[in-house]
Amino acid sequence: ETGVTQTPRHLVMGMTNKKSLKCEQHLGHNAMYWYKQSAKKPLELMFVYSLEERVENNSVPSRFSPECPNSSHLFLHLHTLQPEDSALYLCASSQDGLMGLSYGYTFGSGTRLTVV
Amino acid sequence: GQQVMQIPQYQHVQEGEDFTTYCNSSTTLSNIQWYKQRPGGHPVFLIQLVKSGEVKKQKRLTFQFGEAKKNSSLHITATQTTDVGTYFCAGRSNDYKLSFGAGTTVTVRA
Repeated sequence: ETGVTQTPRHLVMGMTNKKSLKCEQHLGHNAMYWYKQSAKKPLELMFVYSLEERVENNSVPSRFSPECPNSSHLFLHLHTLQPEDSALYLCASSQDGLMGLSYGYTFGSGTRLTVV
Repeated sequence: GQQVMQIPQYQHVQEGEDFTTYCNSSTTLSNIQWYKQRPGGHPVFLIQLVKSGEVKKQKRLTFQFGEAKKNSSLHITATQTTDVGTYFCAGRSNDYKLSFGAGTTVTVRA
């Protein structure tokens, strides 16, 4: 158990479905992240929330919609996804210090998403 | 934008041998982090380097941050089967964004 819990662990969804990924951190961190990990690609940052405010959206398609209701919970809402969106979606948290510096990220176990 | 390159992409090592993986940034970094991801697992934070020329050791792992703060290396001595996995470096630039390299995937021959 890493202190960052992601559910579900596996998800298969059709292109017309709507689903949500959930992430919860028990570490008291003040920043949370969504990353996408595809085969043979670097980890891609999707969204950053620091102090519950979204600070970055790296041109992610609008079919991905994040939600951060408080500093411990993060959601990724999915709708009308494409097969190329199949990947491992990782949530991470960190404690941001002064001037945006942070310490190591703690990752959850990820959600393996398959879009059919 | 900032890019972090890692080489080699794959490292096949005989058990007991040493190897090094390298990380290079196109821009000066404020700090660099290293992570390990076991097969089927998730990235786990190993260490952070902040100072120019800094060297840190964790048992058989030696991490180094270059003098110019644009490159880093991870050296593993006497490789064991437990070292199998993908090692990622992640560099933080002055805009405080963390950019991950593509990783070095390590396999070990017993």
